[in-house]
Order: sequence, then structure tokens, then C-alpha cells
Amino acid sequence: GAVVSQHPSWVICKSGTSVKIECRSLDFQATTMFWYRQFPKQSLMLMATSNEGSKATYEQGVEKDKFLINHASLTLSTLTVTSAHPEDSSFYICSAPATGVNTEAFFGQGTRLTVV
Amino acid sequence: GQNIDQPTEMTATEGAIVQINCTYQTSGFNGLFWYQQHAGEAPTFLSYNVLDGLEEKGRFSSFLSRSKGYSYLLLKELQMKDSASYLCAVRGGGFKTIFGAGTRLFVKA
Repeated sequence: GAVVSQHPSWVICKSGTSVKIECRSLDFQATTMFWYRQFPKQSLMLMATSNEGSKATYEQGVEKDKFLINHASLTLSTLTVTSAHPEDSSFYICSAPATGVNTEAFFGQGTRLTVV
Repeated sequence: GQNIDQPTEMTATEGAIVQINCTYQTSGFNGLFWYQQHAGEAPTFLSYNVLDGLEEKGRFSSFLSRSKGYSYLLLKELQMKDSASYLCAVRGGGFKTIFGAGTRLFVKA
């Protein structure tokens, strides 16, 4: 089946630095990808919709200047957490719907970000 | 607005049957998903319903009633490894999928 690869799977960074997370669709093209954030014991909260070749659409309350999203090709979307702070520590997951309407969304493996 | 409700926690016994309910209110509807998520891992797909009725897949079944904004996930012959969080998710317009808070299922011997 379709595979979405997310990298890195975990990262520890210092407060004030930036971290880039990559999400790749390996055997299909994804014009749209979604970025979610999940805090411990909570569900996935949609942060933004990444659109290939255009600006991302952010959910209410998500700072677009802090969470930079780039979707430069049909197989790659990146999320950059800029000037990270400890409160940004979370599990970040990307997903991409396969072609067609009646299909599931495939998830990357997730990235555990810890800001110290 | 959009709202998805499911119980926070459930406990069941190994070998038994458990039903996890989900009610939703969303703008636009293009399908309802159930995912299983173990702690620290990404969600894994269980089922997809877009039409009313029951979809059966092995030990897992999922039901949808669009008019009632209601779905349930039925797990049969429970195993210890089924202890996980179960996420109900609704896809609205533009493939955007919104998740419920999840139901943590504890399976005891």
C-alpha cells in the first residue's frame, strides 16, 4: 500500500533553534498533505493543510510564522518549527490522502520533538 | 463548527466484545474513519465508512448512520494487544480530516 515517510522520527533541540521535519509520499503523488500535532494523552490536532505549489492553510490558533510549511513538490512537504520553545515539544505527524475521494489517509511515522 | 465525541476510556475483558461509539457534527461529510493508535506510535487505519451500514473486516466492524451523525467500532474476540487508543475521524470538504479525542481501551485478562 501507499507509504508516507516522515523524518526524523525524533529530535532534541535547544530552545531558540529551528527544526525541520520532512514528510514524503513514497509511491504516490500528494498534492495535499496535512500536519497534525499531538500532546500526550490527547488526540491529533490539525495544524495546517499543505498544498503543493501554493501557500499552506493554517487552522485557527496556529502561528504560520512559527510553523513554516513548504510543499515544493508532489512528494515532499516540510514543517519547520522556528525559534522552538519547550512548549512546542510534541508529537508531530503528517498525513496524505491517496488518490481518489474514497480512500484513507496515510500517516507518516511521526516525529517526537523535545525542546530543552 | 465541527465536533466529534467519543468516550474517554473503556475497559473490557479478553475474549469479549466491545463497542466504541462516536457522534459527530461537521460541515460537509466525505467519510468517517477509525484508527488505532498505540502510545508513541502513529495511527494505523482500521476502517472507512462513507455509506450507511455496517462494514465488517475480521474482528473489527464499523457502523455508520449519516442521518444520526453516529458511528461505532465493534471489536470482537478481544486480545490484550487491542489495548490502545481508538480514534474516530471525519473527513469533510477538501480531504481535511478532523479527529476526535480518542477512546483509550484497556483489555484485561
